[in-house]
Amino acid sequence: DQQVKQNSPSLSVQEGRISILNCDYTNSMFDYFLWYKKYPAEGPTFLISISSIKDKNEDGRFTVFLNKSAKHLSLHIVPSQPGDSAVYFCAASYNNNDMRFGAGTRLTVKP
Amino acid sequence: KAGVTQTPRYLIKTRGQQVTLSCSPISGHRSVSWYQQTPGQGLQFLFEYFSETQRNKGNFPGRFSGRQFSNSRSEMNVSTLELGDSALYLCASRQIAGKSYEQYFGPGTRLTVT
Repeated sequence: DQQVKQNSPSLSVQEGRISILNCDYTNSMFDYFLWYKKYPAEGPTFLISISSIKDKNEDGRFTVFLNKSAKHLSLHIVPSQPGDSAVYFCAASYNNNDMRFGAGTRLTVKP
Repeated sequence: KAGVTQTPRYLIKTRGQQVTLSCSPISGHRSVSWYQQTPGQGLQFLFEYFSETQRNKGNFPGRFSGRQFSNSRSEMNVSTLELGDSALYLCASRQIAGKSYEQYFGPGTRLTVT
């Protein structure tokens, strides 16, 4: 049961431009959403999160937007840097229970 | 503070064998979760342990089992290995209180079943 979906397996952007990674979910009970970044041969690292009571959370170059009515969230990276090239996972949880992850989107930022 | 460690990092087994993977969480973290990562499938949740008790369980067959020790270290066991079990197995730890949603992942154990 794929409750969290990342429909774009890959994304390529030019350095300095905006990267927008998308994530859709089906379970309306999810109350917390997170984005993780993963480099090859390393475990995922936490990037940014948002509670379902908010619609936006910003941390430096990273902003996460949540649209509960559409069951959609997105991660914006501005400006994109080559070091941002990695696989990004969207994750969702409810009532502090197990976390559901999407399949990931591979972001490539070209110099 | 040391991060999450997993041993071994790489493992090659044959079908029908069993395997045990180990995870040491960040000091002070009492929750340990296990995930299976395969290409195109993202991270599939296996189970979570807290205070030596299984707290949550994903949709995996009974061949996948785990346990947690009093020092919060955790082991995962897969019996009667199948070719489809080849994957990266990730362990993550977190505190249950405070920012408990944030998990800290280890580097993973790459299991290859031949």
